[in-house]
Amino acid sequence: EVQLVESGGDLVQPGGSLRLSCAASGFRITTYSMNWVRQAPGKGLEWISSITSSSITKHADSVKGRFTMSRDDAKNSVFLQMDTLRAEDTAVYFCAKEQRRLSFDAYDIWGQGTMVTVSS
Amino acid sequence: DIQMTQSPSTLSASVGDRVTITCRASQSISTWLAWYQQKPGKAPKLLIYQASTLQGGVPSRFSGSGSGTEFTLTITSLQPDDFATYYCQQCNTYSTFGQGTKVEVK
Repeated sequence: EVQLVESGGDLVQPGGSLRLSCAASGFRITTYSMNWVRQAPGKGLEWISSITSSSITKHADSVKGRFTMSRDDAKNSVFLQMDTLRAEDTAVYFCAKEQRRLSFDAYDIWGQGTMVTVSS
Repeated sequence: DIQMTQSPSTLSASVGDRVTITCRASQSISTWLAWYQQKPGKAPKLLIYQASTLQGGVPSRFSGSGSGTEFTLTITSLQPDDFATYYCQQCNTYSTFGQGTKVEVK
C-alpha cells in the first residue's frame, strides 16, 4: 500500500527548533518530488517546501532561511528541519507526494499530518 | 509568485443541487490545475488534476474545466458526503492553493 506517515510534531517555544519526519512506503521517494504543506488552525492550505527526485529543494518565502527540507533515500523518508520557530508557524504539517514524474504535478498521496504548536 | 483566488468562500446548498466553484490564477497556468476535497481533521483528497482529469475512484458527478487563468469545479448532484471544503491548486510552478470554498448545508 502506498502510504506516508508523518511524525515529530510537538509543542515548542518561540525561537526553538523541531524536525519533522515523513516515512514513505509502497514507492521510492527518489522517483517523485515530495512536498510539505501546512494548515494553520481554521485556515487554508499553504505549500511550504519541495524536494525533487534530483534533490533540488525549494521553500516558500514565509519559511525561507528558517526551514530546510531533506531526504534519506536509504530510509525512504523526507524531513523538515524547522528553526527559529514563530507563533505563526503553528499548524498541521502534511507530507505529500506528487503524482507523476513531471516538473510539477498534483499531490495524489498525503500523510495524516502532524501538529506543531509554537507557544510559550 | 502565482496567486490563486477561489469563489465563493462559502456556498450553501442542498442535496441534489448543482454546485459550481470558480478558481482564478494571477497568470496563465495552462491546464496545470488540481482540485481537492478536505473534511475536518483529514488530509486533502485529490479529485481532479490537469484541470479536467478525474482521479481514479472519484465519482463522475465531479468535473473540472478551464484553462489559462479561469477554472471551475462542478458537482452535478450534491450528495451528503460532498459537504466539505474544496481547494484549487496551481501546479505550473511549484504550488499555490486557493483559499478554499466551504460547501455547507443550506
